Amino acid sequence: QKEVEQNSGPLSVPEGAIASLNCTYSDRGSQSFFWYRQYSGKSPELIMSIYSNGDKEDGRFTAQLNKASQYVSLLIRDSQPSDSATYLCASRNFGNEKLTFGTGTRLTIIP
Amino acid sequence: DAGVIQSPRHEVTEMGQEVTLRCKPISGHNSLFWYRQTMMRGLELLIYFNNNVPIDDSGMPEDRFSAKMPNASFSTLKIQPSEPRDSAVYFCASSRATQETQYFGPGTRLLVL
Repeated sequence: QKEVEQNSGPLSVPEGAIASLNCTYSDRGSQSFFWYRQYSGKSPELIMSIYSNGDKEDGRFTAQLNKASQYVSLLIRDSQPSDSATYLCASRNFGNEKLTFGTGTRLTIIP
Repeated sequence: DAGVIQSPRHEVTEMGQEVTLRCKPISGHNSLFWYRQTMMRGLELLIYFNNNVPIDDSGMPEDRFSAKMPNASFSTLKIQPSEPRDSAVYFCASSRATQETQYFGPGTRLLVL
């Protein structure tokens, strides 16, 4: 079992709808969680980080964390074609710089 | 401000050859990370340095892989001898300090024939 699991997709969402991306993790020592976006042929870029249970909002993006269920999600509101990319979920343990990534979910926004 | 710089951007080589990948972290960043990305295994950390010192190399696949960071502005990842299964995209990332955001370079696409 991988430490960080994601549905590989592809996930297709109509433009303007809400895209929901999910991630589960197995290491209960994980303290910090990150969502990276990676366009095809490009490098990953950080879009959200979350450290506490609950929701964290940044513009059209909302990250949700439930440590009891070991579950992290990313919601993208008002999806745009430019949101089409692979989204990588990552976890990090306290005091450790190492990021553990899931294999990513490919999201396609349909105009 | 320049981001993480990697070279070469593309490398095609034959099995058995030595491959050297290079990385220049963002100025002022003191942590540097080498990742490998494949379709099958996703993005995996190979090794990371803090203040030029290797901290965790548990992700280095085998003795054919080695990494160095002789100073704060330069790191290399060497594969000798290379094998077809080493074909992947290799990313370098850097961060300002422990627990800070990691910024990724553009990657080196390696193809070993």
